Amino acid sequence: DAGITQSPRYKITETGRQVTLMCHQTWSHSYMFWYRQDLGHGLRLIYYSAAADITDKGEVPDGYVVSRSKTENFPLTLESATRSQTSVYFCASSERLGMNTEAFFGQGTRLTVV
Amino acid sequence: GQSLEQPSEVTAVEGAIVQINCTYQTSGFYGLSWYQQHDGGAPTFLSYNALDGLEETGRFSSFLSRSDSYGYLLLQELQMKDSASYFCAVRGDRGSTLGRLYFGRGTQLTVWP
Repeated sequence: DAGITQSPRYKITETGRQVTLMCHQTWSHSYMFWYRQDLGHGLRLIYYSAAADITDKGEVPDGYVVSRSKTENFPLTLESATRSQTSVYFCASSERLGMNTEAFFGQGTRLTVV
Repeated sequence: GQSLEQPSEVTAVEGAIVQINCTYQTSGFYGLSWYQQHDGGAPTFLSYNALDGLEETGRFSSFLSRSDSYGYLLLQELQMKDSASYFCAVRGDRGSTLGRLYFGRGTQLTVWP
């Protein structure tokens, strides 16, 4: 299906485990983003990517790793999960920079670290 | 960096008009956007102001004043389904912020019957 999809939708993991959240978009958008959403903090940017093989840190990158070998995929990996990484994670994509900055969001992944 | 401030919550009754303000500090941005998010859902795009002034889309309008570092979202003829969180956002246009999309903390709107 066309659009932006995240998987899994829900995940429970243990402290110290590695977890990868997947994000796939079918529009060939240049930009992709990862956000985490916690009560009282809104949407905080973890990492973003301007194109394949180009990634950069956002506001809260510590403990996370990203890659973008293909334009359509932008996985987010928690190298060693901690309880403070319990959150809802959203992936988003948008066209290249310009006057229209509309971003399209996936449905989110609710991650619980126990 | 970029910083956006908006009220944490607003309440209103059906049929009323409500304004959600957003003040920002940025090093440069393409324009001010607004997103809506219902509980348990994903944020969805509502409006975008590239230039100063008012943009109208149905019951929703958005305003930007770059000289005042200020914008707002105006919702008219409120309906119960408008109960949601509303986020203002900016996209960096230079230096280390180029391309980044930053959001405010969101305003929870509750519409009462």
